Amino acid sequence: DIQMTQSPASLSASLGETISIECLASEGISSYLAWYQQRPGKSPQLLIYGANSLQAGVPSRFSGSGSGTQYSLKISSMQPEDEGDYFCQQSYKFPYTFGAGTKLELK
Amino acid sequence: QVQLVQSGPELKKPGESVKISCRASGYTFTDYAMNWVKQAPGNGLKWMGWINTQTGKPTYADDFKQRFVFSLETSASTAYLQINNLNIEDTATYFCTRYDYPGIFAYWGQGVMVTVSS
Repeated sequence: DIQMTQSPASLSASLGETISIECLASEGISSYLAWYQQRPGKSPQLLIYGANSLQAGVPSRFSGSGSGTQYSLKISSMQPEDEGDYFCQQSYKFPYTFGAGTKLELK
Repeated sequence: QVQLVQSGPELKKPGESVKISCRASGYTFTDYAMNWVKQAPGNGLKWMGWINTQTGKPTYADDFKQRFVFSLETSASTAYLQINNLNIEDTATYFCTRYDYPGIFAYWGQGVMVTVSS
């Protein structure tokens, strides 16, 4: 199985701060990488797919980048509604696998 | 608009079975595969597998090959997850999610909390 190592495990950011979350795949996944946000008690929400494509309706302060085995999610200006858990997910090979998650809090 | 509406929370005893549903609306049910994802309390997301909504053929991830059954009621645009011989480790929230190319999950059900306790 492809292992997705996500870092950091938790993060605290001030309003307006730019933050990055990293995801490292155990093998190349050819940009078959998505990012999800999950607020407490809610379903995951797709933010980014194909490593850098913004899902419709997602604010433009979210962006994704990367290739090969290394990927990142950037939030360019932290907002209160951005608090939650963030997960990366590879869809290059079965079984699809997720990172362990990053908990993002507002400082 | 696309919606996936799942059944309500379940409280079961070890050894029992549970069957949860996922009713789709807003699109042609058989045009998209349905996937299932497990989230244990305080944990991350684990992909369980998927079912081909045209043929009914299920595919299970290795950890879910023994006691888990995916099924369909196509006439009702509904997918089902059945878990047999429940154990404590099955306590989790189970999500259905529609597969969109290329391997992304843009639509999710609200999740079903299954609690297994004696």
